[in-house]
Amino acid sequence: SQKIEQNSEALNIQEGKTATLTCNYTNYSPAYLQWYRQDPGRGPVFLLLIRENEKEKRKERLKVTFDTTLKQSLFHITASQPADSATYLCALGSGGYQKVTFGIGTKLQVIP
Amino acid sequence: NAGVTQTPKFQVLKTGQSMTLQCAQDMNHNSMYWYRQDPGMGLRLIYYSASEGTTDKGEVPNGYNVSRLNKREFSLRLESAAPSQTSVYFCASSTSGHTDTQYFGPGTRLTVL
Repeated sequence: SQKIEQNSEALNIQEGKTATLTCNYTNYSPAYLQWYRQDPGRGPVFLLLIRENEKEKRKERLKVTFDTTLKQSLFHITASQPADSATYLCALGSGGYQKVTFGIGTKLQVIP
Repeated sequence: NAGVTQTPKFQVLKTGQSMTLQCAQDMNHNSMYWYRQDPGMGLRLIYYSASEGTTDKGEVPNGYNVSRLNKREFSLRLESAAPSQTSVYFCASSTSGHTDTQYFGPGTRLTVL
């Protein structure tokens, strides 16, 4: 069955460093991948979308890579700040509304 | 713009009771979605509406019904609540296709006793 793996353990990182979050998947051929941010008690907020034919996407301090051979996406936050502390979700889609699958998320804590 | 709004924010039900979760968006989006989020599990799609007048089942539709009242509003109904439906429910909308950015509401935290 389709499976998305995000590190369920919290990731603690020092302010100013680069945070790297991982999204691995199996039994899936996604056409695109999205990353969302979710703060406690709130709904997810869209950050970036990358398609299967794209290797890398950037937006300000954010960078996403997508390796369909390794079946992996990496999400980087450079010069991390305490305000970046949140849970980050990856979501994979392969066509059709029913095919969008969310990971459980990784909690990032940026320590001042 | 308020974006996506949901009511109520919190609700406690007894097993067997019914209720309707309301969702509205003011972004003129065509597509709307209902998800549930449980600890240790990702967001799971319950129902979606690709456009006004259409609704379709998602991954976990059992025990739920939906109504796309108009372009703005998409409601989720629990006819006979069960403890397994204790969850946080999110409504979302997007401009058209599922690859578009989804905008989520603040969520409804539902407890079924």
